[in-house]
Amino acid sequence: DGGITQSPKYLFRKEGQNVTLSCEQNLNHDAMYWYRQDPGQGLRLIYYSQIVNDFQKGDIAEGYSVSREKKESFPLTVTSAQKNPTAFYLCASSIRSGDGKTQYFGPGTRLLVL
Amino acid sequence: DQQVKQNSPSLSVQEGRISILNCDYTNSMFDYFLWYKKYPAEGPTFLISISSIKDKNEDGRFTVFLNKSAKHLSLHIVPSQPGDSAVYFCAASAMGNTPLVFGKGTRLSVIA
Repeated sequence: DGGITQSPKYLFRKEGQNVTLSCEQNLNHDAMYWYRQDPGQGLRLIYYSQIVNDFQKGDIAEGYSVSREKKESFPLTVTSAQKNPTAFYLCASSIRSGDGKTQYFGPGTRLLVL
Repeated sequence: DQQVKQNSPSLSVQEGRISILNCDYTNSMFDYFLWYKKYPAEGPTFLISISSIKDKNEDGRFTVFLNKSAKHLSLHIVPSQPGDSAVYFCAASAMGNTPLVFGKGTRLSVIA
């Protein structure tokens, strides 16, 4: 049963703490993406990766970091430098970045700051 | 600067009637357009797409129209059903290795 999984569904962060959101896909997709959704803001791109060991900053990368050591996995770390981390985080994947390819999304992780 | 704009934050339609969601874009390099549907606390699901070489694409109750000269696309849902109530996102892609650009979404409410 192919798809994208994100864990956990809810995550709580204390002040000054780094937290990592997991994203795994078994669709054999090359490209993976992280978006943040805030009320009234739509989907804003944080980071994306077209191939293993390569990634690019999106529109709002400050305070976030990623890694792409395996094709299936693209974890996102929300660092203490991100001053407003409370949001709904969405991971997506596609066959190839751009070139008219459809992105498929995971179920999302809601991050809350204590 | 928003490259993809959904100017209507919300839309209410009666069950059985047509829902029309609109999207405008500014980047003439966009050549592929998609619509996604999103329920609260879930990831968006892909609905329908259209390439810039076409002006219409149909899939069941969903039809997307593209007017390249006006840089405008629309999603028609007919007949509308209560289960269609969700936020709809328009997205666009340019050729090459560039990610999708999303609009801010339109919340559709289908009233029984």
